[in-house]
Amino acid sequence: DQQVKQNSPSLSVQEGRISILNCDYTNSMFDYFLWYKKYPAEGPTFLISISSIKDKNEDGRFTVFLNKSAKHLSLHIVPSQPGDSAVYFCAAGSGSARQLTFGSGTQLTVLP
Amino acid sequence: EAQVTQNPRYLITVTGKKLTVTCSQNMNHEYMSWYRQDPGLGLRQIYYSMNVEVTDKGDVPEGYKVSRKEKRNFPLILESPSPNQTSLYFCASINSGRGFNNEQFFGPGTRLTVL
Repeated sequence: DQQVKQNSPSLSVQEGRISILNCDYTNSMFDYFLWYKKYPAEGPTFLISISSIKDKNEDGRFTVFLNKSAKHLSLHIVPSQPGDSAVYFCAAGSGSARQLTFGSGTQLTVLP
Repeated sequence: EAQVTQNPRYLITVTGKKLTVTCSQNMNHEYMSWYRQDPGLGLRQIYYSMNVEVTDKGDVPEGYKVSRKEKRNFPLILESPSPNQTSLYFCASINSGRGFNNEQFFGPGTRLTVL
């Protein structure tokens, strides 16, 4: 039973428009969440994170929103650029533990 | 340059032939971890290590062993590989000084095929 779910395996967006990637979780003990980006033939790289005490965190073109009551988080990329084309993983963890539970990933394609 | 390295990057082997995938980090991180990535399943944790000589099972430890004799190295050992261990493997380390972020730094991956 997957505790972190990314229900959209792929997403295509036009350059300059907004990309919205979604993630749902079931474990109410999760209290921090991260997004990773992965290019082919490379390891995932950290993008942005959010603690459960916040509902929004912003870093440049990337914003993560957390809705605890719905157990849902989303990553907004605006404006989207062709270099953003990659697989995006959401991940969740709890307490001081260093273990993360990952979603299955969403392939984002930004069309020029 | 701060990094996590893995070797080999690609490996094709046969069932039952013992193999080791090495992982090394130069950031003096205490926490290291191994994941496997499979289509539709994301990254699943195999084993992790909180510090030297301290290792523990993750979500999918069956068929794997690890050791942590030095802080920088965390090899993954497959004593008797089987075809269901064909996967993409990632090693990661964490800067525990980063607080709640728990940002993990990943290696470039090792693609293993077991025939």
